[in-house]
Amino acid sequence: QVQLQESGPGLVNPSQTLSLTCTVSGGSITSGDNYWSWIRQHRGKGLEWIGYIFHSGSTYYNPSLKSRVTMSVDTSKNQFSLTLRSVTAADTAVYYCARDPISKVRGVIISGGLDVWGQGTTVTVSS
Amino acid sequence: YELTQPPSVSVSPGQAASITCSGDKLGEEYVYWYQQKPGQSPVLVIYQDDKRPSGIPDRFSGSTSGNTATLTISGTQTMDEADYFCQTWDTSTHVFGPGTKVTVL
Repeated sequence: QVQLQESGPGLVNPSQTLSLTCTVSGGSITSGDNYWSWIRQHRGKGLEWIGYIFHSGSTYYNPSLKSRVTMSVDTSKNQFSLTLRSVTAADTAVYYCARDPISKVRGVIISGGLDVWGQGTTVTVSS
Repeated sequence: YELTQPPSVSVSPGQAASITCSGDKLGEEYVYWYQQKPGQSPVLVIYQDDKRPSGIPDRFSGSTSGNTATLTISGTQTMDEADYFCQTWDTSTHVFGPGTKVTVL
């Protein structure tokens, strides 16, 4: 079955750029209709959705992070990536990637829920 | 847009636990529920209000009424002790509730 694995630096300096990659295994990133999402969780807190990307490259970001976020996809490597610019200590969190199967009903996109998650990677912003 | 959940729910083994999630637009969009145990990634337990993914025990059920969604765990087991998050959509954005800690004692 499909599995996701996040990778990237565990420590980022303040004001620098956080870059993470999610590798999809057990299936193709282009098969089916799936959004590929990034979610983060501050220690002891709830979940915050960062954004998603489709295999075509179309994206949608959380308005609260939109000015600092870029997502990209590399179908040849079966990977998608997150870039978060100008990080501060408030960006310290566990970052997850997840699959979001979608369907269209009368032209409306319906989510099947975030049904596959990576194990998460901890990113600390500190000098 | 915000979702509201009770911070905690306590339940005795074998009893039913109900976790509510309230939001102004819940009657317009589907609701999803996730279970997260300490140190683990979230797991989808209910999607599109009341559907169970493959592999999720049938003691988990979801329902909605007006602007409130409810996750019910029937015959709660000690393994169900976890944080539970509701989630919905708001203008193409995933929105999560703050989470409810379910304690089985």
